[in-house]
Amino acid sequence: DGGITQSPKYLFRKEGQNVTLSCEQNLNHDAMYWYRQDPGQGLRLIYYSQIVNDFQKGDIAEGYSVSREKKESFPLTVTSAQKNPTAFYLCASRPDRGHEGYTFGSGTRLTVV
Amino acid sequence: QQQVKQSPQSLIVQKGGISIINCAYENTAFDYFPWYQQFPGKGPALLIAIRPDVSEKKEGRFTISFNKSAKQFSLHIMDSQPGDSATYFCAASRKNAGKSTFGDGTTLTVKP
Repeated sequence: DGGITQSPKYLFRKEGQNVTLSCEQNLNHDAMYWYRQDPGQGLRLIYYSQIVNDFQKGDIAEGYSVSREKKESFPLTVTSAQKNPTAFYLCASRPDRGHEGYTFGSGTRLTVV
Repeated sequence: QQQVKQSPQSLIVQKGGISIINCAYENTAFDYFPWYQQFPGKGPALLIAIRPDVSEKKEGRFTISFNKSAKQFSLHIMDSQPGDSATYFCAASRKNAGKSTFGDGTTLTVKP
């Protein structure tokens, strides 16, 4: 079945540590997105990519980094510069640049310990 | 120009009732308006979407009403069920914009 796979489902990070969240899609979608969701809050865009080897900052990019070396993969690194990384992270993809809805992954819950 | 304002923030409805969630947008260039449903601990899922060339779209118990002149659209859930209890997000996008603009979400609780 086609879809988006996020891993791990739960992740624990120590202070000062970088961690990488995985996002893989087999939908042949061009665009991929990373959102952050805090408890009871909406979706805030971190980064997005419309094509391989290119990506744009979203509304809250500080303390995060991404890469898009393959169409299927869009990993997110939460760096030690992100001071409040505890949140639910959602990856999404879309087939083109406008008239389609997003397909979301099941999310990664990151907790700082 | 890029905002989508969603209301109410939370909604409690009795089983069998009608749930109505509203969204308003500012950018007249938006031309695709989806709604997403999110259960706790899960990613959002596309529920239903509409384009501005129609005023209403219905899929089962879910209906989108679209008012282009007022720049508003709404989700109606008929015969609401406890299983509909979830957070609902509206969104808007325009072709080649690269990203959607999301509302802040509405938490719906359907009481048995």
